[in-house]
Amino acid sequence: AQTVTQSQPEMSVQEAETVTLSCTYDTSESDYYLFWYKQPPSRQMILVIRQEAYKQQNATENRFSVNFQKAAKSFSLKISDSQLGDAAMYFCAGVSYNQGGKLIFGQGTELSVKP
Amino acid sequence: SQTIHQWPATLVQPVGSPLSLECTVEGTSNPNLYWYRQAAGRGLQLLFYSVGIGQISSEVPQNLSASRPQDRQFILSSKKLLLSDSGFYLCAWSLGGTAYEQYFGPGTRLTVT
Repeated sequence: AQTVTQSQPEMSVQEAETVTLSCTYDTSESDYYLFWYKQPPSRQMILVIRQEAYKQQNATENRFSVNFQKAAKSFSLKISDSQLGDAAMYFCAGVSYNQGGKLIFGQGTELSVKP
Repeated sequence: SQTIHQWPATLVQPVGSPLSLECTVEGTSNPNLYWYRQAAGRGLQLLFYSVGIGQISSEVPQNLSASRPQDRQFILSSKKLLLSDSGFYLCAWSLGGTAYEQYFGPGTRLTVT
């Protein structure tokens, strides 16, 4: 079975600063994919970034980057130059290759951005 | 480009009434389709998923059912709603195969009174 754990229910960051959200993905599978989703107050889930487990290079999308440490099962999201629009709930999710595409979600981290 | 629609956006229904939530996807063929429920703004619970017309897998035994009458249409139903069915319902699609990322609709907020 796979589990996704987000240990930070809430985080806060000052505008223009950098913040890191933590996630661990525990699985016995060697092939899997990890994602970060953003859920703003509108509640629509938005895909932020994806990481394939077999890739050693960490994924980057503009101000968003991940630090994937496979041995430690760690998959953190770094947001640089935080903006007020980054305030949202962030969910980490994972799917293993043989699980029929079923994502397992963490419980979320609520990020607030202070002006 | 692909677009996913859900309706209605909000719904208030009495206990014991039926339910029908609809989800449609545009711009792709034979997508994998998913229904999730989110309670109290926290984690998502997968309810149903479908890899093709008429193929539905249920993840959680419950008062709900799902159907896929057309390739890009996914319907969530109930014959008699319970108070515990209240929540935020999200539909999602993916390309399938090794394209695991899912794209979500705007959601339906259901309140059972």
